[in-house]
Amino acid sequence: KQEVTQIPAALSVPEGENLVLNCSFTDSAIYNLQWFRQDPGKGLTSLLLIQSSQREQTSGRLNASLDKSSGRSTLYIAASQPGDSATYLCAVDRGNQFYFGTGTSLTVIP
Amino acid sequence: NAGVMQNPRHLVRRRGQEARLRCSPMKGHSHVYWYRQLPEEGLKFMVYLQKENIIDESGMPKERFSAEFPKEGPSILRIQQVVRGDSAAYFCASSPIDSLNQPQHFGDGTRLSIL
Repeated sequence: KQEVTQIPAALSVPEGENLVLNCSFTDSAIYNLQWFRQDPGKGLTSLLLIQSSQREQTSGRLNASLDKSSGRSTLYIAASQPGDSATYLCAVDRGNQFYFGTGTSLTVIP
Repeated sequence: NAGVMQNPRHLVRRRGQEARLRCSPMKGHSHVYWYRQLPEEGLKFMVYLQKENIIDESGMPKERFSAEFPKEGPSILRIQQVVRGDSAAYFCASSPIDSLNQPQHFGDGTRLSIL
């Protein structure tokens, strides 16, 4: 059974800092891994999708890496801004079904 | 260019009533996924549907819950005889084909409260 863990559960940083969120999964047989952002009372916004054959993906200030063999992914956020405050979720796709982590709640302090 | 639309956004039911949650996928998407987010817990997969077919319902509770995605109209998640433990946020996602190499797009969810 696939289990997805995210650490830390909560993170508070001053504006402008670079930060890393971690995601680990127990079964490396995945099709892809996706990072989402969830704002309070809202749905999920897809940030980055990394296919199983890829090592990383970049979008603006975000960079996600994937190491399938060790069951790990990281989301790197450069030059954090208050607008980045949200819960960040990683999800692994094992074929038509996503397994989600419980998220990292990020607060960026102005 | 509407995204995934879910309604209602908030739904209040008394114990024993029925709850019907609707999801209209993005235009051109024929695959729908339902997830449940219980308070203080992560999202859990419930069911995956294509038009007129249930592909994977391994995450659905065995009783009181059902889902459909008819040829015409939205996907419906139906909960009969609701109980307090059904209070949660229910999210729908869609993709154009199966999720392999395609990101899932999520709606804003329906927040179900059971009195």
